[in-house]
Amino acid sequence: KAGVTQTPRYLIKTRGQQVTLSCSPISGHRSVSWYQQTPGQGLQFLFEYFSETQRNKGNFPGRFSGRQFSNSRSEMNVSTLELGDSALYLCASSLLAGMGKNIQYFGAGTRLSVL
Amino acid sequence: GNSVTQMEGPVTLSEEAFLTINCTYTATGYPSLFWYVQYPGEGLQLLLKATKADDKGSNKGFEATYRKETTSFHLEKGSVQVSDSAVYFCALSDLEAQGGSEKLVFGKGTKLTVNP
Repeated sequence: KAGVTQTPRYLIKTRGQQVTLSCSPISGHRSVSWYQQTPGQGLQFLFEYFSETQRNKGNFPGRFSGRQFSNSRSEMNVSTLELGDSALYLCASSLLAGMGKNIQYFGAGTRLSVL
Repeated sequence: GNSVTQMEGPVTLSEEAFLTINCTYTATGYPSLFWYVQYPGEGLQLLLKATKADDKGSNKGFEATYRKETTSFHLEKGSVQVSDSAVYFCALSDLEAQGGSEKLVFGKGTKLTVNP
């Protein structure tokens, strides 16, 4: 069974640009979550989607957005990039919804560098 | 809010040494607890988990026990190998969100280096 696939693996952008990252979850998984990893802040939750609906959102500005498609694939978008957006963006998928029984499986991440 | 505190290291050990990485948490309710491992240039891999008090998670020689009385989930391995060199993250599942959503709350990570 294929794991969580994130594309692209690496991105270089300049300040003010926008970027779209893609995530394909494990087959059958309907929940997709996104996390930002930086040396200073560690791993921080961005948002979670289930059945094409955003159910939870972390403490990030509105420049960060996402969506989920009917096949559970997800994209996240960052507009008006800032230097501080440079990070590893991780996507995770899980099989069931809620109740503390979920296991989140992570992709390899997309490394975004903002120059 | 819920939070996880783990020793930040870095931790440097010789091969076959005993490993302990401390992790304590603050949470309402009874979250599931996890240890994830991140090898250089890769994403996170689930190492082990525990879903209720006194559960012991184990995998690849690593163990951790869910201790509700001390709100801890310390990671241990009796004999580390060079291949165990990685960053280890303790995490809990935050059940406070509405609508059945849950997110992972992570500790800062502990970098482990094992020398031959």
